[in-house]
Amino acid sequence: QVQLVESGGGVVQPGRSLRLSCAASGFTFSSYGMHWVRQAPGKGLEWVAVIWYDGSNKDYADSVKGRFTISRDDSKKTLYLQMNSLRAEDTAVYYCARDWTPLTPLGTFDYWGQGTLVTVSS
Amino acid sequence: EIVLTQSPGTLSLSPGQRATLSCRASQSVSSSYLAWYQQKPGQAPRLLIYAASSRATGIPDRLSGSGSGTDFTLTISRLEPEDFAVYYCQQYGSSPPTFGQGTKVEIK
Repeated sequence: QVQLVESGGGVVQPGRSLRLSCAASGFTFSSYGMHWVRQAPGKGLEWVAVIWYDGSNKDYADSVKGRFTISRDDSKKTLYLQMNSLRAEDTAVYYCARDWTPLTPLGTFDYWGQGTLVTVSS
Repeated sequence: EIVLTQSPGTLSLSPGQRATLSCRASQSVSSSYLAWYQQKPGQAPRLLIYAASSRATGIPDRLSGSGSGTDFTLTISRLEPEDFAVYYCQQYGSSPPTFGQGTKVEIK
């Protein structure tokens, strides 16, 4: 069965960096676009970033553009999110999610990980 | 970006009742690329409906989606105990994908 397991969250000071990982199993990872979606405590959902199935294209929310980088390692079946210049408003649970359609991602999410909490605080 | 507004914010109903959740978009959603998710406390969201009216795998037929353009609806015909949760709509017809603020369905 499809499984997505995030790791790498924690408490970090403003301005510092953190890298999240998402280990995938149960499907052909290299055939799917992958996303990061976040949820601030007690708030709604916010899409963060997408990477195409072959890594050829990436896109970001304006709120993180220039600070966050999404990447993937198909040999390890792992998705990453490098987060630099972190701000208090980046505090959230970060979910990795698989795009519903193989190959070119449409932007809807059929499988989600359990999430990893990132807290940006001094 | 497309802004999605969900109403009501909270719906207080009893098991067995019908729930009607609304999602209105600030501009037309291309190709009816509108999805609905359910989220329970401490859990990740779960995809319920995609393309406005298609049920995802394993979703019971008491849940149904409808609508097009700027107005969409999620209907739960008879609420079961497991249906009490927060529901989000999401459009994926244009970038960036955006979510509504959520509707909480609570037990009356």
